[in-house]
Amino acid sequence: AQKITQTQPGMFVQEKEAVTLDCTYDTSDPSYGLFWYKQPSSGEMIFLIYQGSYDQQNATEGRYSLNFQKARKSANLVISASQLGDSAMYFCAMREANTGGFKTIFGAGTRLFVKA
Amino acid sequence: GAVVSQHPSWVICKSGTSVKIECRSLDFQATTMFWYRQFPKQSLMLMATSNEGSKATYEQGVEKDKFLINHASLTLSTLTVTSAHPEDSSFYICSARDLGQGSQRDIQYFGAGTRLSVL
Repeated sequence: AQKITQTQPGMFVQEKEAVTLDCTYDTSDPSYGLFWYKQPSSGEMIFLIYQGSYDQQNATEGRYSLNFQKARKSANLVISASQLGDSAMYFCAMREANTGGFKTIFGAGTRLFVKA
Repeated sequence: GAVVSQHPSWVICKSGTSVKIECRSLDFQATTMFWYRQFPKQSLMLMATSNEGSKATYEQGVEKDKFLINHASLTLSTLTVTSAHPEDSSFYICSARDLGQGSQRDIQYFGAGTRLSVL
């Protein structure tokens, strides 16, 4: 069963505007962590932001924020004030603390294109 | 964030030869490292979990005799692709766990990846 779903294969955003990348997940484990990674064309995976299932507030890291809606099982990434350098592939990921064996599961990814 | 170094970044080899890829955690100790394979325009596929001082745990469908993993120290794990064939050509990427506060928060940091081309 698909545990991490990213329904947007590609997204376009104008430079300096905000963009939301969608991610939904499926788990029965009450303790889990959600992650977003950025993969530029060079291939490296860059950690962006983390949200724990017990965290009361949405995570923020600079221009990145995670819109965590636990009841809907969604963890959308919001990038504010987009920059040309934000053009990359973005992966949503989840780790289940009790049942996942510390394995991180990745979604299919969303390719973001930032237009000048 | 923590730094994970992966070497080499790109390797071309002849069919039938073996290739070793190194993954090092530079500023933290990693009891657990992970090896992924990524095909073009696809997501990461976990190959195996490497635990320091013990045998690696391979995912279903991954040949352990073909993809040898050694995690001899807290900062180094190696993946050896034995008797490589063209179908093994892929992007291989390692990651290491940096334990934060509690088992839930530990972050996986990734190396830059190794692009393997088998001729």
